[in-house]
Amino acid sequence: ETGVTQSPTHLIKTRGQQVTLRCSSQSGHNTVSWYQQALGQGPQFIFQYYREEENGRGNFPPRFSGLQFPNYSSELNVNALELDDSALYLCASSQGYDDVISYEQYFGPGTRLTVT
Amino acid sequence: GENVEQHPSTLSVQEGDSAVIKCTYSDSASNYFPWYKQELGKRPQLIIDIRSNVGEKKDQRIAVTLNKTAKHFSLHITETQPEDSAVYFCAASATDSWGKFQFGAGTQVVVTP
Repeated sequence: ETGVTQSPTHLIKTRGQQVTLRCSSQSGHNTVSWYQQALGQGPQFIFQYYREEENGRGNFPPRFSGLQFPNYSSELNVNALELDDSALYLCASSQGYDDVISYEQYFGPGTRLTVT
Repeated sequence: GENVEQHPSTLSVQEGDSAVIKCTYSDSASNYFPWYKQELGKRPQLIIDIRSNVGEKKDQRIAVTLNKTAKHFSLHITETQPEDSAVYFCAASATDSWGKFQFGAGTQVVVTP
């Protein structure tokens, strides 16, 4: 079992509200990637944080934002929630170095967000 | 950007038979191809991966093959067991987009006793 944890497990919000999801990376991992997984689909890349900076972004609007903290944990913030934001939000951690790339990513259990 | 297609979307096999899932990718710069298994209500778990410098990798009953020329890779599960029932996802990533996986849509595998 991996060490990636996420909170909360489930969340119900109303359209227009804001939400913050949290992720703690596996011990020793300094990179966190966030994914959105709609029901019956594969995960879609939102963005990645490496050493507290955004390191790439997928096709998601600016109302999806994030942070990474010095302990490498991360937050995903979504403003002005829409019904289509209802999904499982997964974070994945990996280890990045300046000159060595570790590709393996390990996922957390996810946060199930329902927007009504 | 990268686009990954995965087939079939569902796969039913008898216990003991083999299962094969195929994925194609579009970006020739992709060089890392992991496979994840996701059981209902659980997190995706990395089960095997392959890098572009090898053509095949095996781990007990599972194997992955890669054809860089044709830009496709496949997951092979032999001697399937009921606990292999899950959704399997392929993904692709390139060095210059390290860690930013493009996933396939998934294959629901059902192994019947």
